Amino acid sequence: DAGVTQSPTHLIKTRGQQVTLRCSPKSGHDTVSWYQQALGQGPQFIFQYYEEEERQRGNFPDRFSGHQFPNYSSELNVNALLLGDSALYLCASSLDRRSYNEQFFGPGTRLTVL
Amino acid sequence: AQTVTQSQPEMSVQEAETVTLSCTYDTSESDYYLFWYKQPPSRQMILVIRQEAYKQQNATENRFSVNFQKAAKSFSLKISDSQLGDAAMYFCAYRIGGGSQGNLIFGKGTKLSVKP
Repeated sequence: DAGVTQSPTHLIKTRGQQVTLRCSPKSGHDTVSWYQQALGQGPQFIFQYYEEEERQRGNFPDRFSGHQFPNYSSELNVNALLLGDSALYLCASSLDRRSYNEQFFGPGTRLTVL
Repeated sequence: AQTVTQSQPEMSVQEAETVTLSCTYDTSESDYYLFWYKQPPSRQMILVIRQEAYKQQNATENRFSVNFQKAAKSFSLKISDSQLGDAAMYFCAYRIGGGSQGNLIFGKGTKLSVKP
């Protein structure tokens, strides 16, 4: 049973560029959440997708957008990259129908903005 | 707003000894979950243990146990018989209860080193 997978593993971009990160949830999971983890910090919630719609959003600007596909996989897009966007981006999947839905995390994508 | 505070940026323990990691949180909610996550140097976050706020009994998972003090809003993690593989970043996290939509709110983490 494959866990949560993310691609790419590492990414280097320059300021002003756009980036797309991808996530495949754990088998059987239908909900995907994205987190940003800056160096030396705990993860911060960006947004959550369920049934192909953004259901909840954290305190992140509109430059951060996402998408969920019918197969439950998800993308995180960041436009007009800033140096401060350099971080580890974590994807977590869960199953919506349980009252307690443990979030399983992927290995993350390390984004460096130069 | 809910917040999670981990006051120990780094901790060290001798192999086979016991260590306790501290966490405090702030919330006005009565229904919530608390978690400890482990993030080894390979980066993948793993759930160590969880506690439902409505349960008075402290959660235990093998060598890992918590001391949940609801009135004090304290949630510490005790690791017994520490092993080299326990070395990692440990994050305390909070999630509001009552459904599946709640996102996790994390503390800044505690880096645990285990000395052989």
